[in-house]
Order: sequence, then C-alpha cells, then structure tokens
Amino acid sequence: DAGVIQSPRHEVTEMGQEVTLRCKPISGHDYLFWYRQTMMRGLELLIYFNNNVPIDDSGMPEDRFSAKMPNASFSTLKIQPSEPRDSAVYFCASSLVGQGRSPLHFGNGTRLTVT
Amino acid sequence: GQQLNQSPQSMFIQEGEDVSMNCTSSSIFNTWLWYKQDPGEGPVLLIALYKAGELTSNGRLTAQFGITRKDSFLNISASIPSDVGIYFCAGQSFNQGGKLIFGQGTELSVKP
Repeated sequence: DAGVIQSPRHEVTEMGQEVTLRCKPISGHDYLFWYRQTMMRGLELLIYFNNNVPIDDSGMPEDRFSAKMPNASFSTLKIQPSEPRDSAVYFCASSLVGQGRSPLHFGNGTRLTVT
Repeated sequence: GQQLNQSPQSMFIQEGEDVSMNCTSSSIFNTWLWYKQDPGEGPVLLIALYKAGELTSNGRLTAQFGITRKDSFLNISASIPSDVGIYFCAGQSFNQGGKLIFGQGTELSVKP
C-alpha cells in the first residue's frame, strides 16, 4: 500500500512564479482533499473532489489558486502567481467515502516557500 | 464558520505520565476524530468516534465523544518518547456539508 503520494516534498520559488503541486491518491478512494497548514491558521480545507468532480472549493483563498483532477489517480493544485503569504505545507488526502465516515489518509505534504 | 477550541496548546511531560487533551465546539458535531502528526509527515488517524457518549480505545489511547456532541477528549496513558508529536482533533457536521474541521493541535513533548 503506497499511500497518498505528493510531489515535490519541498518547493522554493520566487514571488510571481507559477507553482504546481501534485498528488496521487490511494487507489480506489473516491474522495480527494487539498489542505493547507500554517502556524497561524492550522489545517484548512481548500477544496475536495468526489469521483474527480470538485464538490466544494469554498476554501480556496482566491483566484490565484486552482485545482484539477483529470482522472482518479492524479490531482494538481496550482498557484499562479505565487505570493510570499502562500508559504505553507500543502497536504493532499484521500478517503474511501465522505469526510468523517472513513479515515482521511494524508500524504507527507509539500512544503512551499515563496520568497 | 464552526470553530474547534483545542487545549492545551502544548504539554511537556515526563515519560510514564498520563496525558489528557480536549476539544470543544460551540455547535454540534456528528463525528469526532483524533489525528497525530509527526514532524515532516501528514496527520495519521488515531481514533474515530461516531456516536454521542462513545468511548473508544486504541492501545494506550482512549477517546470519548461528549454527550452534548460539542466536545471530545483524548487520553494517553503511560506516555513514552514516541508519543511526541502534534495531536489534532477534528469534527464533522452534516449541517456544514460534511466538512471536517480541525482543531489547532496540541504539541506533546515527552521527557525520557
């Protein structure tokens, strides 16, 4: 069981650059979630998908953020243009059924630093 | 939106001591979950609670879903050094579209 796989583990970029974070959920999981973790705000849900369809993107901070799930085994979170306040750890998680009714399996995160 | 108040924010204890942390909410949750996060890794589920009053154990860990549905606690007995990490409560409310809301975390340090 490979678990949720995220790449890259670390990303350092300059303000204004485009950043793409990638996630491969656990095979067979129908739900995929993107979270952001910061010291100030803790773990925040950005967006989640069910069967590759975005269900709730109300947590996406602004139009600079976008997420896609072209198929059941791959999702991306894109920030364009990036800003220093986007620096955080971004987690992808997947689950078999909806939130809370089955465990969320988290990846190891992508630590993003925007200078 | 809904908020979870998790306390304490941090704990420094001696190996062998028992630990207790809790989460409270101003509104009702249908599910309470407890996760642990080790440095450089994502949170891992420890215990899931689905019914008010439910008391569940996982080894040295025990968690309860409060009768009022507005709180939950996690106890760790006889702490060991590998218990070090950040513990998060998380609650889900069907009234909020099933979103999982996380507490701010309790950072646990265990002195050998």
